[in-house]
This record gives sequence, C-alpha cells and structure tokens, in this order.
Amino acid sequence: GQQLNQSPQSMFIQEGEDVSMNCTSSSIFNTWLWYKQDPGEGPVLLIALYKAGELTSNGRLTAQFGITRKDSFLNISASIPSDVGIYFCAGHRGANAGGTSYGKLTFGQGTILTVHP
Amino acid sequence: DSGVTQTPKHLITATGQRVTLRCSPRSGDLSVYWYQQSLDQGLQFLIQYYNGEERAKGNILERFSAQQFPDLHSELNLSSLELGDSALYFCASSVGTAGNTIYFGEGSWLTVV
Repeated sequence: GQQLNQSPQSMFIQEGEDVSMNCTSSSIFNTWLWYKQDPGEGPVLLIALYKAGELTSNGRLTAQFGITRKDSFLNISASIPSDVGIYFCAGHRGANAGGTSYGKLTFGQGTILTVHP
Repeated sequence: DSGVTQTPKHLITATGQRVTLRCSPRSGDLSVYWYQQSLDQGLQFLIQYYNGEERAKGNILERFSAQQFPDLHSELNLSSLELGDSALYFCASSVGTAGNTIYFGEGSWLTVV
C-alpha cells in the first residue's frame, strides 16, 4: 500500500490565488518528485528534487525537499484555470529500497485542484 | 507529449480473458516501468525492466507478466482477468536504472466486464 501522506486531498481556489500542498512520510526518500495528471492522461513530471533542503522552481511552481528527507511541499503561485488537475507527490528510496524495489516510485494519494475563474 | 507511447488506449474485455498492453519508451531510454492506477489503490508500481532484463518488482500479481524486447519496447500481459483488474495501466521510461526520474505514457484503460 501507499506510504506517502499527501494533503490536502482537494482544494477549491479562485484564479490568482497561491496554492500549497505537501507530502509526508514515515520513511526517508532520496528523491522527491511532483507530477500533475489531467483527466485521461498520464502523470506529467513537474519538478524533481534530489537533495535534502533543495528548493527548485519551474515557472510558477516551487517545490522543496525537506531537510529530514521525509517530506516535500509544492507551491503554485498566481493560479490559472489550466492548473486544474490532480497533483501527485512521489518518493524514491534509491539504494535504501533494497534490490528488488530499487526502481520503484511510491506515490501519494493525490491533491485534486479546482480553480474557479 | 512525454515520448512514451502506449497501445491500446482503451479496451474492454470479459472476465477470464487475457490481454496484452504495449509500450514504446522514449528514444534513448533503456528502462521501462509498469504502474497500475485504480481508485482504491492509487498509483502502484508493478515491475521494471532495464535493457531486456527484469530489474525491480512491485506488487505484481502472478497472473500478470511483462517482458522487454531487444528493440526496448515492452509488453504487459494480464491473464485470467477479474473485475478488480479494471484500471489504468501506465508505462513509464527512463534512461538509467534508478527510476528516480521517469516519464509516463498516456496509459491504457482496461475495463473487465
């Protein structure tokens, strides 16, 4: 089962507002990723974080890799209608995962974002 | 467009049947991953292949199997299908084996009736 707790589960905001969502885990991850999924589409990679404490931006999106390596957050500034979708965090353990799980990403439950014009 | 191609996009089949899902990775990527997405389980890792060999295994049922061919495309075979196998099946790819930055295809939506 899933081991990442992502919150909030859903958000309803007005266009122009900033958005913040986060992911926490009881286990350490060596890479944190944020994906966005539109209906009927596959998850699209938004930001990848490889180092504890790393803060990375991609346009209006900013994500941080928590110092403890057990959490990450994603901020979206000045939201627009096309930001609507489901946002997933994902963690990768790397060598800590053990041999047969090395390539595995563990996903959060997703945050459903609705933006009202 | 991620560059990962999956076919078919949709299929409907009956319980007990067998289906094959196909994936072509991004150009230059040697690793292929299969994930299952369902409402109750979310996105779950099934299996990874790297350059033709199985590299990592997740919660893949014994009724499911996969392989990666010399041209690097991959197939996921689902047999003795049950209603609960209805889900979106995603293929993803990456250059190396680590699996920490992967790119997803658009998925194959399987409905078992």
